Amino acid sequence: GAVVSQHPSWVICKSGTSVKIECRSLDFQATTMFWYRQFPKQSLMLMATSNEGSKATYEQGVEKDKFLINHASLTLSTLTVTSAHPEDSSFYICSARGTYTSTDTQYFGPGTRLTVL
Amino acid sequence: AQSVSQHNHHVILSEAASLELGCNYSYGGTVNLFWYVQYPGQHLQLLLKYFSGDPLVKGIKGFEAEFIKSKFSFNLRKPSVQWSDTAEYFCAVNDPGTYKYIFGTGTRLKVLA
Repeated sequence: GAVVSQHPSWVICKSGTSVKIECRSLDFQATTMFWYRQFPKQSLMLMATSNEGSKATYEQGVEKDKFLINHASLTLSTLTVTSAHPEDSSFYICSARGTYTSTDTQYFGPGTRLTVL
Repeated sequence: AQSVSQHNHHVILSEAASLELGCNYSYGGTVNLFWYVQYPGQHLQLLLKYFSGDPLVKGIKGFEAEFIKSKFSFNLRKPSVQWSDTAEYFCAVNDPGTYKYIFGTGTRLKVLA
C-alpha cells in the first residue's frame, strides 16, 4: 500500500517551453503533497507543500510563478515548470501524506528527471 | 532553523561488516525522525521511523536506529551488511505541526561482495 507514481519519469524540453509533471497517490487519498528538487549528489530540497483544494505554500527562494502547483483532487497534484531554462534541469520528486496512512509519514514517488536544452 | 547533518558522505564496507551511519539534527521542539533508503534507480523507501516511545527502533531489512535525545542523534545501524544494501541513505526530521521534512545530505553506502 501507499504507492505514489509520477509521470513522466523523464522529460527533455527546449528552453522556454513549459513542462507538466504529475504526481498520483494510487491507493490512498493524499491530503497533502510535497514537491522536492534533488540536485546530483545532493539532498532533497523541499520546494512547496500543497493541500487539496487550496493554494500551495512555497519555500523561501522558490518562484511560485515559475513552479506552478495544482492539487485538484485527493489523488493528483501537478507541478508545471513554466518557461523552463537549463538551470531548471533537475530531478523532481513528489511525496504524499494520506488520511488513512500514518499521517506523519510521507510516501515518495519515483521522481522525474527534467533536462532543459 | 532546523537542520539535519549526516557526517558520512561515502561509506565503503565489505559484506558482513557492521554499519553505523550518523545523523544529528537541530530543532528545539518535538520532532519525528526517519531514515529513508534510495536504491540505485529507485524511489525513496521508508526504512524506519521514530515518533515516541522506545528510542530503539527496528525497521525493515534488519536495520535499526537509536534516538538519543540528549545528543540530538538518530543513528542508523545494521549488524551485518549485504551487497544488496548498496544505496543512498537519508535521515530526515519533520515538524509535527507542518509535516514538512528536512533531509540530511545523504550517505552513499557501497558494500563490496
